[in-house]
Amino acid sequence: GNSVTQMEGPVTLSEEAFLTINCTYTATGYPSLFWYVQYPGEGLQLLLKATKADDKGSNKGFEATYRKETTSFHLEKGSVQVSDSAVYFCALSPNYGGSQGNLIFGKGTKLSVKP
Amino acid sequence: EADIYQTPRYLVIGTGKKITLECSQTMGHDKMYWYQQDPGMELHLIHYSYGVNSTEKGDLSSESTVSRIRTEHFPLTLESARPSHTSQYLCASSAGTGVTDTQYFGPGTRLTVL
Repeated sequence: GNSVTQMEGPVTLSEEAFLTINCTYTATGYPSLFWYVQYPGEGLQLLLKATKADDKGSNKGFEATYRKETTSFHLEKGSVQVSDSAVYFCALSPNYGGSQGNLIFGKGTKLSVKP
Repeated sequence: EADIYQTPRYLVIGTGKKITLECSQTMGHDKMYWYQQDPGMELHLIHYSYGVNSTEKGDLSSESTVSRIRTEHFPLTLESARPSHTSQYLCASSAGTGVTDTQYFGPGTRLTVL
């Protein structure tokens, strides 16, 4: 079946530190991959996405590359800020064996950035 | 900026009460979703709809029901609330059903059943 596994948190970093949040997936065919972010007290919002192998999604200094050979979509940022403190969700949209457009989410990783 | 609204934002209610959580979007999106988010942050799809008069159950079994009479409106109802229904409920919508479509989320309703 389709599933997403992401590193458990919480992750605590100092401002300007390098961030990596690991995400691996299991899926049949060629899913699309997403990172969503949830700031405190809010709903989720799309951070970035990649729709085919070797695509790199990027937004607000965050990047993730769709690696089909390792079935991974790790999120990275070179220098985090206090305002990046949030919960980050990796997700996939399967194109086989699932309802079209439905997302399968990882369990979320809480990031706290200290000044 | 996504235009999807949920009311109320917070609700505290007693056991046995009937409640309706409202969700509206002004983007003309056909597909809409309801998620339940537990305290550990994990998201579970409980209902979705492809359009007017379409409703489907999600991956997590839920005692709630939904309706889709208008494109922009997708309310969720609990006939008899119980403490086990205490959770955050998130509504979302997307323009289509494609693999690449982005889902847009509302701010959520935090429900507490005493």
